[in-house]
This record gives sequence, C-alpha cells and structure tokens, in this order.
Amino acid sequence: SAVISQKPSRDICQRGTSLTIQCQVDSQVTMMFWYRQQPGQSLTLIATANQGSEATYESGFVIDKFPISRPNLTFSTLTVSNMSPEDSSIYLCSVATRTNSPLHFGNGTRLTVT
Amino acid sequence: AQTVTQSQPEMSVQEAETVTLSCTYDTSESNYYLFWYKQPPSRQMILVIRQEAYKQQNATENRFSVNFQKAAKSFSLKISDSQLGDTAMYFCAFMPNTGNQFYFGTGTSLTVIP
Repeated sequence: SAVISQKPSRDICQRGTSLTIQCQVDSQVTMMFWYRQQPGQSLTLIATANQGSEATYESGFVIDKFPISRPNLTFSTLTVSNMSPEDSSIYLCSVATRTNSPLHFGNGTRLTVT
Repeated sequence: AQTVTQSQPEMSVQEAETVTLSCTYDTSESNYYLFWYKQPPSRQMILVIRQEAYKQQNATENRFSVNFQKAAKSFSLKISDSQLGDTAMYFCAFMPNTGNQFYFGTGTSLTVIP
C-alpha cells in the first residue's frame, strides 16, 4: 500500500484567506482524490485530481473555491480559497493504486476558520 | 444512485467482548466491493476489511469478520475480543465495479469500555 504524507496536519486560519494543503505519495499512483469531512459527518468527495489536466469536481464543489493541482503522479495540492467558518473541516487526500482497489488515506488536515 | 446506511450512530462494548456494527446499502449494480474503514482520534482512515460482492464467502481479518448478505444488501462488521485500541469511528463504504467512486456511510462511533 502507498504511504501518504499530508501537510499541514492542522491550521487555524482567518476568514477570507486561503490555505494550500499538500499531499505527497511515496510511489506513483494513477488515482488521487480529495475528500472533506465536516464535523461529526461522513466523507464527501470534493474532486478527483487528474495528472496534467484539470481536476474533476463533484456536484457542489467548484474550481474557484477549491483549486487543485497535480503536476505528477506522486503529488497534489488542494487550496481552500476565500475561507469562511463553514469551511472548517478535515480535508483528506486519498489514493488508489489501481482500478477497483481500496482507497488509502493521508492523516488529514484539520482546518479551523475563525 | 448508491447509498450506504449505518443506523447505529454510537455503540459501546466491554473489553474482550464481541460487537457487531450494521451497514446496509442500496444499488442496482450486480458487481461491487464493500469496505469497512476505521478512523481513530488520530484522524487517519484505516482499511479494516474488504469484501467482493461476487464472493459468497465472508471476509475475515484476524478479529474482524463480516456477514455479507447480498440479497438483503447487508454488510455487518463483527469485532471479536474487543480491545481498547478498537475505539474509533467506523465507516462502511461501497464501490461499484465500474471505477473508484466510493460511497461512505455516516459512521458508527464505537467505544470499548475497560
């Protein structure tokens, strides 16, 4: 299974600012995903990070709010832009090493917006 | 559309006892995968066990086993000889055979009591 490093592990940010979360995998993976987990809730898929092209966003999530980069097969970033308190969540990077394989997750980033 | 339901928001079990967590799902797919993930306070999502729908035999992983009832669309997790380290949030997840789109339940918070 892949080892996934996610940074920062937590942050407290002010309303209106942006935060970029990094996800580094120790091996090349074809599929990378970003999830959001709001307090006390389940995981919601934000987008699929596509290497070399624009991410594929799920309903309710837009590129202007959550720009994603994936310059290669081992690295991706998620930016939470123009933050509001409603963006306070855990953000999780996950990867799948092949089609129909389980997801492997990073440790997550706990974001608090004040 | 795929949905995953976990009807037990919270459960507790005495150390060394056995506990069963429930999960039901709804799908029109004939082939798919089911998973149980554990999320301890450290936040990292950890894969506990996996079941392929085309396999009738229930999956087991040490103290963890599932009761997979395909016709009833039920996928419960049994934890035997519960340990304090089993205290965590447990998520049931569904993935159709057509890709890596995961659908998560709302989770069950399990507390193991010493």
